[in-house]
Amino acid sequence: NAGVTQTPKFQVLKTGQSMTLQCAQDMNHEYMSWYRQDPGMGLRLIHYSVGAGITDQGEVPNGYNVSRSTTEDFPLRLLSAAPSQTSVYFCASERSPLAGRHEQFFGPGTRLTVL
Amino acid sequence: GNSVTQMEGPVTLSEEAFLTINCTYTATGYPSLFWYVQYPGEGLQLLLKATKADDKGSNKGFEATYRKETTSFHLEKGSVQVSDSAVYFCALLRGSTLGRLYFGRGTQLTVWP
Repeated sequence: NAGVTQTPKFQVLKTGQSMTLQCAQDMNHEYMSWYRQDPGMGLRLIHYSVGAGITDQGEVPNGYNVSRSTTEDFPLRLLSAAPSQTSVYFCASERSPLAGRHEQFFGPGTRLTVL
Repeated sequence: GNSVTQMEGPVTLSEEAFLTINCTYTATGYPSLFWYVQYPGEGLQLLLKATKADDKGSNKGFEATYRKETTSFHLEKGSVQVSDSAVYFCALLRGSTLGRLYFGRGTQLTVWP
């Protein structure tokens, strides 16, 4: 099991550029989510998905799009990058929140800098 | 609303010292509570959890007790090691919010030999 994988590990963008952060898990987890981590802010939920074809907004969704066409993949798209999106992005997955195990597995993160 | 408040860091201790990191929460209903740990350059890992009042979560010598009367979930360890140096996050999960975790700001712990 590779667990939760994220690519790239580091990325530098210019303001206005678009890009996709990749996230994949090989644990057949139903639930996947994206968080951003900013200094002194903890982690904040961007978008989440409870299964293929189903996504919803989290706490800070503006400027980001997601889709979930397969159980394994949950890409995060930045439509037009802004300096305020400079952050570390974490993808997480959980087998099923309804299963009651309540353990989310996190990827290693993508450090994004927007100039 | 739902929120988690952690003690401000950084916390610096000598090896074998006693550790407490305070965490209090605000939530409606009966949330589950968690401590996650983030080692340098890595993602978060679940350290321990408690799903109902008076439960004690424990792992790797760390403990935390779910105290509903004080809305707290303080993390403790009797004797820290250099390898415990990391950032610790307290988090809550409400059953109605389908896997959505609410995190505290994190507490940086540094342990010196």
